[in-house]
Amino acid sequence: QKEVEQNSGPLSVPEGAIASLNCTYSDRVSQSFFWYRQYSGKSPELIMSIYSNGDKEDGRFTAQLNKASQYVSLLIRDSQPSDSATYLCAVKGNDYKLSFGAGTTVTVRA
Amino acid sequence: GAGVSQSPSNKVTEKGKDVELRCDPISGHTALYWYRQSLGQGLEFLIYFQGNSAPDKSGLPSDRFSAERTGGSVSTLTIQRTQQEDSAVYLCASSLDGNYGYTFGSGTRLTVV
Repeated sequence: QKEVEQNSGPLSVPEGAIASLNCTYSDRVSQSFFWYRQYSGKSPELIMSIYSNGDKEDGRFTAQLNKASQYVSLLIRDSQPSDSATYLCAVKGNDYKLSFGAGTTVTVRA
Repeated sequence: GAGVSQSPSNKVTEKGKDVELRCDPISGHTALYWYRQSLGQGLEFLIYFQGNSAPDKSGLPSDRFSAERTGGSVSTLTIQRTQQEDSAVYLCASSLDGNYGYTFGSGTRLTVV
């Protein structure tokens, strides 16, 4: 059973600031890590994937992975009102399925 | 298709009726997943298909739930004798081979009255 914990929200940040989202997981053999964005009333959308320790940048998003600490994070730089959504951390081990955290809701204040 | 297609998008049914939800995955994706998301809750894994086989059905909440996949493509999730606690958004996702992130469909919102 892979447990995925995310920092409790909601998280409110002013426009232009950095939003920092954290996620920890319990299964040490987890290999693949994903961040999904879910707008209210919509389905989750994959925004970042990371497989090895370190940072991975894609536009205004940076994912950070530390397998020794069993920790993965997502930074959103220059936050925009359109970034307001719930962000889901997902973890995959040696098996076939993703385990999802409960999500952190982010609100970007204009 | 270009994306994962689910139908119907909304379904209102009376308690005790059977419902069938359909998922058409991205062409060529061998892995298909069903999840359930209740209001304000996280994603609950239901079942996974690799091709037409379902190696693990342990996520199905009860024996009222069943799923099948034919031709390695379309999948149907059937809920028999629906109960009010079955009300949720049912999400289908597919993946190229199960090793990468999923692409979700837009979901079916099921309301049992």
